[in-house]
Amino acid sequence: KQEVTQIPAALSVPEGENLVLNCSFTDSAIYNLQWFRQDPGKGLTSLLLIQSSQREQTSGRLNASLDKSSGRSTLYIAASQPGDSATYLCAAITQGGSEKLVFGKGTKLTVNP
Amino acid sequence: GAGVSQTPSNKVTEKGKYVELRCDPISGHTALYWYRQSLGQGPEFLIYFQGTGAADDSGLPNDRFFAVRPEGSVSTLKIQRTERGDSAVYLCASSRGLGYEQYFGPGTRLTVT
Repeated sequence: KQEVTQIPAALSVPEGENLVLNCSFTDSAIYNLQWFRQDPGKGLTSLLLIQSSQREQTSGRLNASLDKSSGRSTLYIAASQPGDSATYLCAAITQGGSEKLVFGKGTKLTVNP
Repeated sequence: GAGVSQTPSNKVTEKGKYVELRCDPISGHTALYWYRQSLGQGPEFLIYFQGTGAADDSGLPNDRFFAVRPEGSVSTLKIQRTERGDSAVYLCASSRGLGYEQYFGPGTRLTVT
């Protein structure tokens, strides 16, 4: 059974700092991994999707990497801004037929001006 | 284009009542997913449809929960004899299929009193 863990649960940084959010998964036979952002009381916004054959994806100030052998993914945020404050969730689809996403509990990020 | 929409945004019901939650996916997306999110947790998978059929319903907690997608577009999640433990945010997502990003709606917050 796939389990996804995100550490730390919360992170507070000053504006302008580069930061890394961590995601680990127990079953390395993943089909793809998706990073989301969730603002309070809102739904999930898709940030990046990494296919199992890829090692990283980039979008603007965001870069996500995937290392299946170690069961890890990281989301790198460059030059953080107060508007980046939100909860960041990673989720994996495991190979085997089902398209269900298995989520971590998220990392709550606060960027202080 | 329009994103995933869900109605109602909020639903308060009494214990024992029946509720229906609706999801309108992005036009042309063949796959539709239902998840449930409790406070401080990541979303948990309930069921997903490929076209009109339920491809995986392994996440439905018990037989009080049922979902349909009769024409391969709009889906309805139905909960009978609601219990206080059913209180959560119910999220719907859609995608073009396996390997593509899942796009989430804003959710329906269900409160059972």
